[in-house]
Amino acid sequence: EAAVTQSPRNKVTVTGGNVTLSCRQTNSHNYMYWYRQDTGHGLRLIHYSYGAGNLQIGDVPDGYKATRTTQEDFFLLLELASPSQTSLYFCASSDAEQYFGPGTRLTVL
Amino acid sequence: QQQVRQSPQSLTVWEGETAILNCSYEDSTFNYFPWYQQFPGEGPALLISIRSVSDKKEDGRFTIFFNKREKKLSLHITDSQPGDSATYFCAARGNVGDNSKLIWGLGTSLVVNP
Repeated sequence: EAAVTQSPRNKVTVTGGNVTLSCRQTNSHNYMYWYRQDTGHGLRLIHYSYGAGNLQIGDVPDGYKATRTTQEDFFLLLELASPSQTSLYFCASSDAEQYFGPGTRLTVL
Repeated sequence: QQQVRQSPQSLTVWEGETAILNCSYEDSTFNYFPWYQQFPGEGPALLISIRSVSDKKEDGRFTIFFNKREKKLSLHITDSQPGDSATYFCAARGNVGDNSKLIWGLGTSLVVNP
């Protein structure tokens, strides 16, 4: 079974702050995804990647950057965090099925 | 627009009853439908999935019934247990366009009372 880890698990920042969320998968899956989860909205895709150096735009990309540095590592960057980005963020990796990490709860004050 | 719809939004059943969670979709090119289970504080995890060539998929107490003509599917959880209390997401994927993305429903929150 794929192992997907995320760090930090919890993060509090202020409006305008700079935040990096990290994700690592250890099963050499090609695809990796960043989602946000909010009550009433389900899972919404922010960005995804099919390999190191590749980035695809998801459905709610505004205010987010992402970078896939290696097969294993996918980062989500919030360069000017806003309260609307307070959310639960999930990373997933995929061969045919998507395997999710435990999530990062981000609060922007 | 929500291409994958789930109902009800929340469902409460007694232990031992059958819980029925519904899902419908818009795009006739969708051909793969996974259901994910999410417990509080955890990420979603694949529970069971079905391809459009089948009309039923069973795994223990969990069964998917699929109606391609009506673009509907349902997840039946028989002999429901309190440990089944979770949020269940229906998702879909096709083979036209970007088939690396899943299209997600908004989820059904299931509570099983002992």
